[in-house]
Amino acid sequence: DAGVTQSPTHLIKTRGQHVTLRCSPISGHKSVSWYQQVLGQGPQFIFQYYEKEERGRGNFPDRFSARQFPNYSSELNVNALLLGDSALYLCASSLDPAGGREQFFGPGTRLTVL
Amino acid sequence: QQQVKQSPQSLIVQKGGISIINCAYENTAFDYFPWYQQFPGKGPALLIAIRPDVSEKKEGRFTISFNKSAKQFSLHIMDSQPGDSATYFCAASTGNNRKLIWGLGTSLAVNP
Repeated sequence: DAGVTQSPTHLIKTRGQHVTLRCSPISGHKSVSWYQQVLGQGPQFIFQYYEKEERGRGNFPDRFSARQFPNYSSELNVNALLLGDSALYLCASSLDPAGGREQFFGPGTRLTVL
Repeated sequence: QQQVKQSPQSLIVQKGGISIINCAYENTAFDYFPWYQQFPGKGPALLIAIRPDVSEKKEGRFTISFNKSAKQFSLHIMDSQPGDSATYFCAASTGNNRKLIWGLGTSLAVNP
């Protein structure tokens, strides 16, 4: 079975631009979470989606938005990019709330903002 | 405020030795405590997880010890191997909320 997949692998943008990151969860998983991991730190929670609805939001500005599609894949959008948005963006999938608690992570998208 | 405090920041162990990483938490509502392993340029991979009704869980060379009264949990890696060299993160979450709160990570180097 394929694990969590993310695209693109790497991305270079300039300040002020917009970026869209994509994630496909493990087959059968209906919940997707997004995390930002700055170099040398642990991941920080951005969003959780389940059944196309936002179930949780971390302490990130409104420039960050996300959505989940009927096939449970997800997009993370970041507007008006800042230098500080440079990070590894991780997507994690998990079963529905009645299922397991484990989250499985994709390889991440490395975003560099110049 | 760091809700999950992890130590040490870095650790060097000889091959065959025991690696021990510790985490402490404040929020008594946490009820799920996973450990993740991360290699450079990769996403975190779930190693082992524990719930507070169990004091110890072992999977292969990896053991979690959990002390509910002290609000501490630790990862023990027995017979450490050079391939174990990676960054290890402890995390915690509560209820059905999938939001994981992470420690700052421990960089482990196992010398051959």
